[in-house]
Amino acid sequence: EAGVAQSPRYKIIEKRQSVAFWCNPISGHATLYWYQQILGQGPKLLIQFQNNGVVDDSQLPKDRFSAERLKGVDSTLKIQPAKLEDSAVYLCASSLEGGGREFFGPGTRLTVL
Amino acid sequence: AQSVSQHNHHVILSEAASLELGCNYSYGGTVNLFWYVQYPGQHLQLLLKYFSGDPLVKGIKGFEAEFIKSKFSFNLRKPSVQWSDTAEYFCAVNAGGAGRRALTFGSGTRLQVQP
Repeated sequence: EAGVAQSPRYKIIEKRQSVAFWCNPISGHATLYWYQQILGQGPKLLIQFQNNGVVDDSQLPKDRFSAERLKGVDSTLKIQPAKLEDSAVYLCASSLEGGGREFFGPGTRLTVL
Repeated sequence: AQSVSQHNHHVILSEAASLELGCNYSYGGTVNLFWYVQYPGQHLQLLLKYFSGDPLVKGIKGFEAEFIKSKFSFNLRKPSVQWSDTAEYFCAVNAGGAGRRALTFGSGTRLQVQP
């Protein structure tokens, strides 16, 4: 079974630049999540999609972060403009339905200089 | 809002020692409980989960965890650790039932097993 795919794996940008991450969930998984994991901390939810609708984006810094899940499959997460404190690993996960077991991708490690 | 506390941030053990990692959560309703593991250079993987039923759950690689509702705890145990268990361990919880929410993670425990 193919897992959750993410790209790129690493990204280095300067502050105030823009960056985008891509995620392809496991086929058939209706729920998709984006988490931010800062070094030394556990993952923190940024946004949860059910198909192509947003279930929870209460912790998404909407002034600079945006995410979309067109057609209820792939998803992109964008940061514009980036700040130093955005340096983290961005994890994408998917599950058959919300509240169930989540399968995680390898993550994108973002460094903002 | 739910929260998860992991009290041990860094644990160092010798091979064959017994392991217990603490996890306490704060949430008033029905919860699902998880332990995820992240081996060096790998992505997060499910170790075990509790949804309902027998509060003692067994996972992969000889790990088990016990849900104690009265203590809001879900501690992870293994009777004899191996060098290959060196990893970071995360306890997580989500609202069960109709909540269908995402996971709330603890801050993680880094386990180092010395040969």
